[in-house]
Amino acid sequence: GDSVTQMEGPVTLSEEAFLTINCTYTATGYPSLFWYVQYPGEGLQLLLKATKADDKGSNKGFEATYRKETTSFHLEKGSVQVSDSAVYFCAFYPGEAAVNKLTFGGGTRVLVKP
Amino acid sequence: GAGVSQSPRYKVAKRGQDVALRCDPISGHVSLFWYQQALGQGPEFLTYFQNEAQLDKSGLPSDRFFAERPEGSVSTLKIQRTQQEDSAVYLCASSSIPSTVLGNEQFFGPGTRLTVL
Repeated sequence: GDSVTQMEGPVTLSEEAFLTINCTYTATGYPSLFWYVQYPGEGLQLLLKATKADDKGSNKGFEATYRKETTSFHLEKGSVQVSDSAVYFCAFYPGEAAVNKLTFGGGTRVLVKP
Repeated sequence: GAGVSQSPRYKVAKRGQDVALRCDPISGHVSLFWYQQALGQGPEFLTYFQNEAQLDKSGLPSDRFFAERPEGSVSTLKIQRTQQEDSAVYLCASSSIPSTVLGNEQFFGPGTRLTVL
């Protein structure tokens, strides 16, 4: 069945370090891919998305490229800040369904220390 | 404009009690989703409404779970005879377009944290 696998946390980094969170998916068809972020005490927010192969989503210095050949959508940021401390969720729509409901990974907690 | 709101934010119930969780989506949004998020896990789909029609309820874990959206705006998720395994955060999300449109963004509420003792 459809599923998302993302690296487990917590990931602890120093400020200005490079961040990568791996995400791979299993789906039939051509899914749309998303990264959501949950800051402490807040609700889920869309961080970025990509709807077709080779698309790159970007926002707030974060980037992720839809790689159909490796079924991956890894999240990267070149220089993290303390304010990036949050839980990050990879998610997708299957793309060929009557109802496109999000399937989420388990989340990766990121802690950035000053 | 206001985002998605949910109430109550926290609910403690004794095992066997019925609970009702409310979601106010963004005004005018046709799509409304409910998700369940267990501690330390990602959200899992429960049910979907397009306007007042419940088009998908495949994620509801048992017949104790019931959702409605009678006028196509506010939605209520009801859990009857709550069990400890129902303890989770219940998230509501809305979208301005039908879910069949690829890539459409869902806007999430803050969630209701349900604890069943």
